[in-house]
Amino acid sequence: NAGVTQTPKFQVLKTGQSMTLQCAQDMNHNSMYWYRQDPGMGLRLIYYSASEGTTDKGEVPNGYNVSRLNKREFSLRLESAAPSQTSVYFCASLGTMGTDTQYFGPGTRLTVL
Amino acid sequence: QKEVEQNSGPLSVPEGAIASLNCTYSDRGSQSFFWYRQYSGKSPELIMSIYSNGDKEDGRFTAQLNKASQYVSLLIRDSQPSDSATYLCAVTSSGGYQKVTFGTGTKLQVIP
Repeated sequence: NAGVTQTPKFQVLKTGQSMTLQCAQDMNHNSMYWYRQDPGMGLRLIYYSASEGTTDKGEVPNGYNVSRLNKREFSLRLESAAPSQTSVYFCASLGTMGTDTQYFGPGTRLTVL
Repeated sequence: QKEVEQNSGPLSVPEGAIASLNCTYSDRGSQSFFWYRQYSGKSPELIMSIYSNGDKEDGRFTAQLNKASQYVSLLIRDSQPSDSATYLCAVTSSGGYQKVTFGTGTKLQVIP
């Protein structure tokens, strides 16, 4: 039982390049999330998927797209990376009950030059 | 007004003292409240959850919730240097438990 896994752990991009961050969970959770964390800004929600087949915007969705590939996998795509997207990205999942908590992946540290 | 507000700190306490961390939230319909601990360079990990008014104790940690005042706190008794971390308050939205909003976190330093 690996919990929430993310790939890659580190990535350096040039401005304008594209990439996809991958996330998978093996806890049979319905809801999955993508956050970014910047110094002094806490965790900001980019997109979330309350259940397979649905996605919703969070606080900072501009410049990102997501795909809920199946119940296990939720990917985040940067179509044209910008330096402002330099951040640490965390994926999380949440169980089906209102009292469940989020479980986080180890994070992806992305630098856009 | 931010949805979830925390003092960024740092909050410095001597070893063995009680650390008190505070959080206010704006959504009156929020039902679930969480405290996460995050060590530098690591992902957040849950330490406490609370869903009803009052106190909830778990070892050295006590979470306190006051929905009327829209206030949630975390007390850490007998603080240890290993408690030095950033503590994040998280609150679910009244629009659905699936949407979780985090505060910016309070950095705690426990001085040996």
